[in-house]
Amino acid sequence: DAKTTQPNSMESNEEEPVHLPCNHSTISGTDYIHWYRQLPSQGPEYVIHGLTSNVNNRMASLAIAEDRKSSTLILHRATLRDAAVYYCILRGLSGGSNYKLTFGKGTLLTVNP
Amino acid sequence: GAVVSQHPSRVICKSGTSVKIECRSLDFQATTMFWYRQFPKKSLMLMATSNEGSKATYEQGVEKDKFLINHASLTLSTLTVTSAHPEDSSFYICSALDYFNTDTQYFGPGTRLTVL
Repeated sequence: DAKTTQPNSMESNEEEPVHLPCNHSTISGTDYIHWYRQLPSQGPEYVIHGLTSNVNNRMASLAIAEDRKSSTLILHRATLRDAAVYYCILRGLSGGSNYKLTFGKGTLLTVNP
Repeated sequence: GAVVSQHPSRVICKSGTSVKIECRSLDFQATTMFWYRQFPKKSLMLMATSNEGSKATYEQGVEKDKFLINHASLTLSTLTVTSAHPEDSSFYICSALDYFNTDTQYFGPGTRLTVL
């Protein structure tokens, strides 16, 4: 499985934007970039995913580098509820084991009031 | 959004007993479900992939006779931890793929298992 590299932790202030980086230099052409987050003592929650183009949804934006070897999850205005571990995961195109998600250590985001 | 439930949310059992954990997709059909285990301050580790009506596929190092998985319907998968021991104490999390939208895995809230 292609691996991702994320900082262990990041800190932000409430209502400020947060940029969470992810490196995936060995990404293949059919790998999607997925982001999930996990609040304490809860199951992970889907945040966003993309292939080549930047993506926006109600939770966040995903900026993907032109060579696809890195991406950045952007939380436009962090709130205390955004404090969580954020996982950047590469997932295959479709079918069988390609649907598996391999979780790394993720980035622990702390949001200060 | 799609909802996945798990039952029980927390269970304490004696060593040597078996524990069953249920995972249900409440408002969608899930042909594929996944079971993960998470130890304190560690990341999620995939244990097995469960497909409706067929045998589960276990990850390397996961004992299939100890962690029995059944996916008998499109909305229910169960994980049975047989002859549980204290080292099986962990946070067990399931996820499900919507048959009509396989882009996203929907995760359950997790089950905290403590084996005394």
